[in-house]
Amino acid sequence: QVQLQESGPGPVKPSETLSLTCSVSGDSISNYYWSWIRQPAGKGLEWIGRIYTSGTTNYNPSLKSRVTMSGDTSKNQFSLKLSSVTAADTAVYFCARDRYCTSATCSHSDYWGPGILVTVSS
Amino acid sequence: DIQMTQSPSSLSASVGDGVTITCRASQSINTYLNWYQQKPGRAPQLLIYAASSLQSGVPSRFSGSGSGTDFTLTISSLQPEDFATYYCQQSYSTPVTFGQGTKLDIK
Repeated sequence: QVQLQESGPGPVKPSETLSLTCSVSGDSISNYYWSWIRQPAGKGLEWIGRIYTSGTTNYNPSLKSRVTMSGDTSKNQFSLKLSSVTAADTAVYFCARDRYCTSATCSHSDYWGPGILVTVSS
Repeated sequence: DIQMTQSPSSLSASVGDGVTITCRASQSINTYLNWYQQKPGRAPQLLIYAASSLQSGVPSRFSGSGSGTDFTLTISSLQPEDFATYYCQQSYSTPVTFGQGTKLDIK
């Protein structure tokens, strides 16, 4: 059974960088694409971007200038960094496994982590 | 970006009822359409992918149909555990986008 778990250092101050890690168990991250999605409280879902462990990334243009994703196959983890955060970046952040991917897109996300609440506040 | 519009935004129904949720894309997405169920405080769970394929482990009372711009999710006989929020998602092109959600609650 594939399991994902988000982790991070806690609250982030405005203008700082949000850093999250997704730890994967039950499968190797080398075989798949992996996405980050976020959800502000009481609102809908926003796709942040995805990474393949070759280093290939695809970011949402609305966040592209502030997003960096990376993978660590030795730890079976992948990470998200979002710079220059504001209160608008306060959300629950999910990581997810993508399936049936081409170089252009993936069909769907089948396994998700439980999510982690990140609060941006001074 | 491709805009996804769900209707209705909210829906009240009783256990045993059949319900249908619709999702419309702002341009043709072939069958690159997925449906997720989300319960409060939980991650979304994949129900249907590629418009009509049932994800493994999902009860057969859930079904999806459509292609192009118009899609539907049907729940044939509501069970207590089905009361949740449902999201459609297009994966035809990036950025991947979601509908605004349909909240299904108990009448």
